[in-house]
Amino acid sequence: DAGITQSPRHKVTETGTPVTLRCHQTENHRYMYWYRQDPGHGLRLIHYSYGVKDTDKGEVSDGYSVSRSKTEDFLLTLESATSSQTSVYFCAISESIGNRGDSYEQYFGPGTRLTVT
Amino acid sequence: LAKTTQPISMDSYEGQEVNITCSHNNIATNDYITWYQQFPSQGPRFIIQGYKTKVTNEVASLFIPADRKSSTLSLPRVSLSDTAVYYCLVGETNAGKSTFGDGTTLTVKP
Repeated sequence: DAGITQSPRHKVTETGTPVTLRCHQTENHRYMYWYRQDPGHGLRLIHYSYGVKDTDKGEVSDGYSVSRSKTEDFLLTLESATSSQTSVYFCAISESIGNRGDSYEQYFGPGTRLTVT
Repeated sequence: LAKTTQPISMDSYEGQEVNITCSHNNIATNDYITWYQQFPSQGPRFIIQGYKTKVTNEVASLFIPADRKSSTLSLPRVSLSDTAVYYCLVGETNAGKSTFGDGTTLTVKP
């Protein structure tokens, strides 16, 4: 399995409090992603990074910010958590391998279950 | 972002071949098609990826017609352990803009 860890694995927090989730990789992959997954649904991209200090928004970025100061770490922050942000958060990494026809895949971490009460 | 449409669920029996089709009418020229498998309480796991025609690896085959507006994941001789959610993902390599749909829940029965 790819070397991806997420911390914490579980967290319960109150509405209005700030929360930071951490993703750490040991693969030296260029790209890192944060997704959320709500019950019975697929993953939705929150933010992604294509290098140190280079990040961009995904489809559900409102209420979230990210930072990547080192290749191996990608932080997701909920500035003021709301109940609608209760979800499972997955981090993923990937490294492009060359030209069209080469395989490209994302490796996912184990997830963080966040509950906002 | 190219939107994907898959059947919500499928049932099969052990030993059968399973074909799951994904529709992606708005696929862009540079988009790849990737399939992932997800078990409960785990992150998705890569199965196969392709751009056109047919791709085969040790676990699955991916068929993509010439117009690339759909793709079919083929799982040969499924077992109970293949019960999972399967996602079709369409997105440009390196762009970080791939979109997951809601997936297809495959249930394999004995």
